[in-house]
Amino acid sequence: KNEVEQSPQNLTAQEGEFITINCSYSVGISALHWLQQHPGGGIVSLFMLSSGKKKHGRLIATINIQEKHSSLHITASHPRDSAVYICAAANYGGSQGNLIFGKGTKLSVKP
Amino acid sequence: NAGVMQNPRHLVRRRGQEARLRCSPMKGHSHVYWYRQLPEEGLKFMVYLQKENIIDESGMPKERFSAEFPKEGPSILRIQQVVRGDSAAYFCASSPSQGALIGYGYTFGSGTRLTVV
Repeated sequence: KNEVEQSPQNLTAQEGEFITINCSYSVGISALHWLQQHPGGGIVSLFMLSSGKKKHGRLIATINIQEKHSSLHITASHPRDSAVYICAAANYGGSQGNLIFGKGTKLSVKP
Repeated sequence: NAGVMQNPRHLVRRRGQEARLRCSPMKGHSHVYWYRQLPEEGLKFMVYLQKENIIDESGMPKERFSAEFPKEGPSILRIQQVVRGDSAAYFCASSPSQGALIGYGYTFGSGTRLTVV
């Protein structure tokens, strides 16, 4: 079993739909990252959170430390949101940058 | 303010050759991280460096791979005697001093796609 699991693996949505991507982890963490990998391969850091909730535009990330679970929500989805979304756990006690990555959720938003 | 610059974007090497991948961190960032993404697999941590120091190389293969971040110039990931299994996308990221621990996160480069033929 992977230490960081994401679901679903693939997600297809219609433009405008509300989207949720889930991430569960089995290790103690100091922080949880959400990343976006574009079809061209570039990676953008969306959020880093260790508790509660963060919002940036139409993106919302939440984390429940007790349940070892995080969610990424996209409101009013748009075709340009199509990408692979990756969660990554910073293992508590591990060095900075030593992240454990989920396999990613491939999102396709249809117009 | 340029982001993290990686070059080359694409690199083709024959088996047995050496591959050198370069990463220039964002201005003001003193910490560099290298990650590898094998085809159809997730990202894996390789190494964390500060200027002239390797902080954590627990993700580096024991042989043929090395990394450095000299006082001047970019960070270099070096793969000697490449094999087909080294074909992957190699990403570097950078952060400010303790930024990644206190909320600044990472800035990623666009990656170098290494193909070994």
